[in-house]
This record gives sequence, C-alpha cells and structure tokens, in this order.
Amino acid sequence: SQKIEQNSEALNIQEGKTATLTCNYTNYSPAYLQWYRQDPGRGPVFLLLIRENEKEKRKERLKVTFDTTLKQSLFHITASQPADSATYLCAPPPNQGGKLIFGQGTELSVKP
Amino acid sequence: KAGVTQTPRYLIKTRGQQVTLSCSPISGHRSVSWYQQTPGQGLQFLFEYFSETQRNKGNFPGRFSGRQFSNSRSEMNVSTLELGDSALYLCASSLELTGTQYFGPGTRLLVL
Repeated sequence: SQKIEQNSEALNIQEGKTATLTCNYTNYSPAYLQWYRQDPGRGPVFLLLIRENEKEKRKERLKVTFDTTLKQSLFHITASQPADSATYLCAPPPNQGGKLIFGQGTELSVKP
Repeated sequence: KAGVTQTPRYLIKTRGQQVTLSCSPISGHRSVSWYQQTPGQGLQFLFEYFSETQRNKGNFPGRFSGRQFSNSRSEMNVSTLELGDSALYLCASSLELTGTQYFGPGTRLLVL
C-alpha cells in the first residue's frame, strides 16, 4: 500500500544551523509533495509545494528538494531560529481512494 | 480573506454522548475535509465534502458522520462517544481536494 514516512524522532539543533527533515514515500509516485508547519494545538499551515519535475524549490530560508529516484523529499531550514520550532508535515496528493494522507510529522526544536 | 473558522474551540463530553462540530471554510472554497489528530496516530483523514456531497471517506466507524450545506459550511457529528475519540479535530478547506489545504484552528474534544 502507499506509504509516506517521516522521521518520527524529534530533531534538536542549535540556532543558526541548517535543519534537514526527510519525507520518504513507497509504492507510488506522487505528482507533488506539500510541506506544512504545525504549532502545538493549532492547525497545520501550508509552506511549500514541490512537483515531481522540480528538483528544488525555495522560499526565503526554506528549501525543498524532490528526488524521484530515492523516493524522497528533503526540507531544509537554513539559519534556523527558535521560532522555527514546530512539527513539520509532508503530504502527497490524495491517494487512489481519494484519501489525503499526511506523514506523521517531525518535531523540530531549535535551541538558542 | 477570512480564514477557516471552527466552533467550538474546546469541548468536554462524557462517554455515550454525541457531539457536533462546525467548520466555516474560506469564501469560495467548496472542498472541506475533516481530520482527527491524536499524539499516537497523527493526522488521520475522516472525510471530504464537495458541493454538499461526501466524496471521500477515511477508515473511521459509522459513528463519525458529516454534512455540508449549500454555503459550503460543514458539520461533523460523532455519536456514542468513546474515550478514544478524545482528539483535536481539524477541518481544512481548499478549492479542490488536490489543492493546498487551509486548516482551521481545530476543536479540542475531551471525552470523560
């Protein structure tokens, strides 16, 4: 079955460093992947969408890559700040059954 | 444009009761999706409505139901509440299910 997996272990990094989060998918080839940010007790907020024919996309300090060979998307936050601390979710398009599946999310903690 | 709104924000119920949650999408958005989020299961897709019709459904029991009105506002109902229904319930609106999801702040439901 189609699966989307993110590293469930929290990622702790020092302020100013680059955070790299991983989203792996198996048993299908999504036309795009979306990345969302979620703060505790709040709804996710859309950040970036990358299509399968785009190798890389940037928005300010954010960069997303899409490697269809490795079946993986990487989400980078450069010059990270404590305000970047949140859970980051990846999401492919709806599956064949029309269900929207989100990854479990990776919790990022940026220490000053 | 006003964002997605959800009411109520917090709710406490006892086992066996039923509950109705409300979601008002962004103006012009006809697709409304509902999600359940728990610490252990992450964000789980409940169902999606488009133009007053349920188009897609996740793997939840029949106790979970919903509807959408002609103005795209949506309600979700859970009957015969169980302790395991305690969760953050999120709704999201979009132009289409394949589009970016715009989430509301969620309703925190606690079942005692």
